[in-house]
Formats: sequence, structure tokens, C-alpha cells
Amino acid sequence: DVKVTQSSRYLVKRTGEKVFLECVQDMDHENMFWYRQDPGLGLRLIYFSYDVKMKEKGDIPEGYSVSREKKERFSLILESASTNQTSMYLCASSFTTSSYTFGSGTRLTVV
Amino acid sequence: GDSVTQMEGPVTLSEEAFLTINCTYTATGYPSLFWYVQYPGEGLQLLLKATKADDKGSNKGFEATYRKETTSFHLEKGSVQVSDSAVYFCALSDAGGTSYGKLTFGQGTILTVHP
Repeated sequence: DVKVTQSSRYLVKRTGEKVFLECVQDMDHENMFWYRQDPGLGLRLIYFSYDVKMKEKGDIPEGYSVSREKKERFSLILESASTNQTSMYLCASSFTTSSYTFGSGTRLTVV
Repeated sequence: GDSVTQMEGPVTLSEEAFLTINCTYTATGYPSLFWYVQYPGEGLQLLLKATKADDKGSNKGFEATYRKETTSFHLEKGSVQVSDSAVYFCALSDAGGTSYGKLTFGQGTILTVHP
């Protein structure tokens, strides 16, 4: 089975801190995605990557950046965390356009 | 752009009741359609999918049929169990000629099943 691993399950950070959320997949997938999940809004795409060092903005990229130096790892960076970035963050990877695997999520609280 | 609209929740049912969660979509191309489920404290799991019109996806007693004429992908189950209590997300993937597709999600429907 494809595994997508997010490094932290719960994270508490202070306003203004630089925050790194890490995601690793073990099946050589080309495509990786970062979503945030908020009640009543579903999941919204922040950034995605279809190859090493390639990145594309999703629907809500403001305040975020990403890094993909290796195929298996896709990092989400909050340059200066703010309270409105308190959310559940979900990473996913895919090989085709009809098969996606999600990590368990990181619940980030910014205080 | 692409969008997915799900039935407003939360939905509360008694065990063995019939479940329908409505989902309609807007897409420019020929999307694949999905239902994902999220149990409390967990990530998203694929429940079922359909990749072309008139396909029926099914899993664990849940079914959904890809209806292009009504742009719908409604989720149904004949007899729900307490263990089906979760959040259900309808989603679409529209590659738009690329080799990758971005999933677009509905807002999610919370289902609670009572004994």
C-alpha cells in the first residue's frame, strides 16, 4: 500500500514563527498536493507539485510556500504564521488522475 | 473553474435507515468523481470512484452513479450502521489535458448514525 506520512500529528506555534510541515510518500509518485481543511469549507488546495523542483499555486497560496527537492518529500512552509492559518493540513500524492492517497493530517494551532 | 456542491449537513439517521447524500458538480472537461470518507481523528480514505459517465462506483454497501446529464454523483446506502458515522466528501479530478489532476472538494457532510 502507498503510504503518505506527515511528520507531526499536532503542532502548536506562535504568531510570526516560520513553520515547516513535512510530507513523505514511499511509492515514487510524481504528483504531490497540500490541502487545508476547515469546517464548512471542505478541503482547499494550497500548492501542488508534479515533479521535483516544480510547484504550482492552488486556490489559496497566500501566506504559504512549498519545497520539493526530492521526489518523495513535499514540504509546506508558513513564512510567518498567523492565527488564521490555524487549520488541519492534509498532504496527498498521486500517480494518475484517478488515484490519490492522503496522509493522516497535521492539526496546526497558531497562538 | 471546477466546483462541487454537496448536500448541507449534518445528517442524523437511525441504524438501518436509507442514506442519500447529494452531490453535483461543475467541470469544463471530463472529470473523474470520488467519494472520500473521514472517520474521527483520521485522514481521508477513498470510499468509491467513477471515471466516466454512467459508471457506478461501489464499496462497503455504498454506491454512486456518474450522471453526466444531471452533473451529479449522489452517494447512497441501503442500511447504515453506527460505524458509518463520519464526514463524507464528494470530489472531482479534472486533468484538463495534463498528466496530473487536482482534486476539487465539496464542503463535506457530517453523518451521525444512532443505534
